[in-house]
Amino acid sequence: EVKLLESGGGLVQPGGSLRLSCAASGFTFTDFYMSWIRQPPGKAPEWLGVIRNKANGYTTEYNPSVKGRFTISRDNTQNILYLQMNTLRAEDTAIYYCGIWFAYWGQGTLVTVSS
Amino acid sequence: DIQMTQSPSFLSASVGDRVTINCKASQNINKYLNWYQQKLGEAPKRLIYNTNNLQTGIPSRFSGSGSGTDYTLTISSLQPEDFATYFCLQHNSLYTFGAGTKLELK
Repeated sequence: EVKLLESGGGLVQPGGSLRLSCAASGFTFTDFYMSWIRQPPGKAPEWLGVIRNKANGYTTEYNPSVKGRFTISRDNTQNILYLQMNTLRAEDTAIYYCGIWFAYWGQGTLVTVSS
Repeated sequence: DIQMTQSPSFLSASVGDRVTINCKASQNINKYLNWYQQKLGEAPKRLIYNTNNLQTGIPSRFSGSGSGTDYTLTISSLQPEDFATYFCLQHNSLYTFGAGTKLELK
């Protein structure tokens, strides 16, 4: 059974940093592109970035709105996807989901940026 | 950047109704269009990929069509479990979600 379990969310002050993790199981992790999206309360999802699979060199692509502040990485030995978020702003408050490309997502983790 | 205009934003319908939801892209997206359903407190769930391919396990009352810039999700006969919010996503050039359609019980 495919499982994606996000963790690391919480309350962070403006200007702070946070690293989200996503533990993956039930599929061959290295074969798949992985993604992060976020969804502010009551709004549409927004894609944040994609990290490609082994065959495509694990290269990354980012939404210009977060490029330079957010970094996606993956630990292919432990099947964990990461999202490093720096210089956080109030508008980054959202539920963050990791996904197998844009086909399937975990249940998400809430990030609240507030003083 | 490709913009996606989704309509309507809200839709009231009854069980058994046929409903359509539309997404219009700001440029040709070559049928690289997915549809998702999201229920309160849950992650989005993919229903259809690449315009008209039904995700495994999704009922056949859901269908998609379109080409170029205009795409449609059709639910042929609404069931109680279909009342939810629906989003489109273009993946022809980076990725853009539509703003969503909230389907409510009339």
